[in-house]
Amino acid sequence: DIQMTQSPSSLSASVGDRVTITCRASEIVKTHLNWYQEKAGEAPKLLVFAASNLQRGVPSRFSGSASATEFTLTISSLQPEDFATYSCQQSYKDPPTFGQGTKVEVK
Amino acid sequence: QVQLQESGPGLVKPSQTLSLTCTVSGGSISNDDYYWTWIRQVPEKGREFIGYIYHTGNTYYNPSLKSRVTISVDTSKNKFSLKVTSVIAADTALYSCARGGSSGNYYYMDLWGKGTAVIVSS
Repeated sequence: DIQMTQSPSSLSASVGDRVTITCRASEIVKTHLNWYQEKAGEAPKLLVFAASNLQRGVPSRFSGSASATEFTLTISSLQPEDFATYSCQQSYKDPPTFGQGTKVEVK
Repeated sequence: QVQLQESGPGLVKPSQTLSLTCTVSGGSISNDDYYWTWIRQVPEKGREFIGYIYHTGNTYYNPSLKSRVTISVDTSKNKFSLKVTSVIAADTALYSCARGGSSGNYYYMDLWGKGTAVIVSS
């Protein structure tokens, strides 16, 4: 299976900060990479698909990028509702696999 | 809008069968644009993809679980189900159902249920 490794596992940030989360794949997944936002007690939400495509309704402060096997999710200006856990997932090869998540906490 | 809701026992004894159902409301499970997935998250670990099914009944199972897993669909009730046989403590997890979609040949889960916790314990 393709291993997905996220860094950092957690980070502390303030409202207005620029936040960057990285996801590295153990092998080539091209741009078959999705990002999800998860909050306790809520259904996970798809933010970005195909590495850089924003899902409908997702604020433009979220963006995704890709470079070889390294992928980045950026929040340009952190908002109060963005404190959550973010996970990446590759869909290039079955079975789909997920990163372990990055928790964004209040500084 | 379309919503997914998991249901089933929260406690299962070791060696027994775990059975969960995902009810799809606000849309048809027979929509050719989507497939229907089960995913679980073991405490303190990442999510594990269990498998998916199309409304036609075509399935895919994660090889790591394939020998113990069955996913089925009931289009008349707009539901799909998961069975995991011979459960052990390591099957304790938050089980989630999700709708799979695609854009070209890019696949993703675009709608999720909140998940249901299952504990395997005697």
